[in-house]
Amino acid sequence: LAKTTQPISMDSYEGQEVNITCSHNNIATNDYITWYQQFPSQGPRFIIQGYKTKVTNEVASLFIPADRKSSTLSLPRVSLSDTAVYYCLVGDYGQNFVFGPGTRLSVLP
Amino acid sequence: ETGVTQSPTHLIKTRGQQVTLRCSSQSGHNTVSWYQQALGQGPQFIFQYYREEENGRGNFPPRFSGLQFPNYSSELNVNALELDDSALYLCASSWTGGGYTFGSGTRLTVV
Repeated sequence: LAKTTQPISMDSYEGQEVNITCSHNNIATNDYITWYQQFPSQGPRFIIQGYKTKVTNEVASLFIPADRKSSTLSLPRVSLSDTAVYYCLVGDYGQNFVFGPGTRLSVLP
Repeated sequence: ETGVTQSPTHLIKTRGQQVTLRCSSQSGHNTVSWYQQALGQGPQFIFQYYREEENGRGNFPPRFSGLQFPNYSSELNVNALELDDSALYLCASSWTGGGYTFGSGTRLTVV
């Protein structure tokens, strides 16, 4: 399973765009990149998933360069409620995700 | 469409006791995984069940065991509880080839 590296913590202000970058140098051909959000004492919640280039949904965008060795989760105009831990995960369908410590995002007023 | 539900939400046990945690998978999901999350850390994979058979296990001792039932609900059993077993236990279900949906977890405290 590909190992991921992401910043331990980030601070932002309400209304700003937040970009969290994840490194996954040994990503395999069949691996997808998935991001989860977790609030305290709750289970992780799926945000977005992609394989290459750009994926966008109603809450985030995911940018993946051609070499797929990194990815960037973009959260537009964050609010206080976006304060959470964000996990970058890499794996094929059916594999069990290896969670790292994630990125603790703090959104300030 | 119902999500993943776990019970109980909170539990306090004494060291040496046994505990059973329960999970109801999301409708249509045939695979269930269990994770342990200590405070301030990411979830750690315990094991996965597919069609009632264990088909993957993380670095957890045999006193952690599980079951998956024909209706795809699942149990996590932990014997001889230790203080370090205190954690949030998460259940995640998925369908073949699909992503995971997590439950809200069971907070286990061992005293």
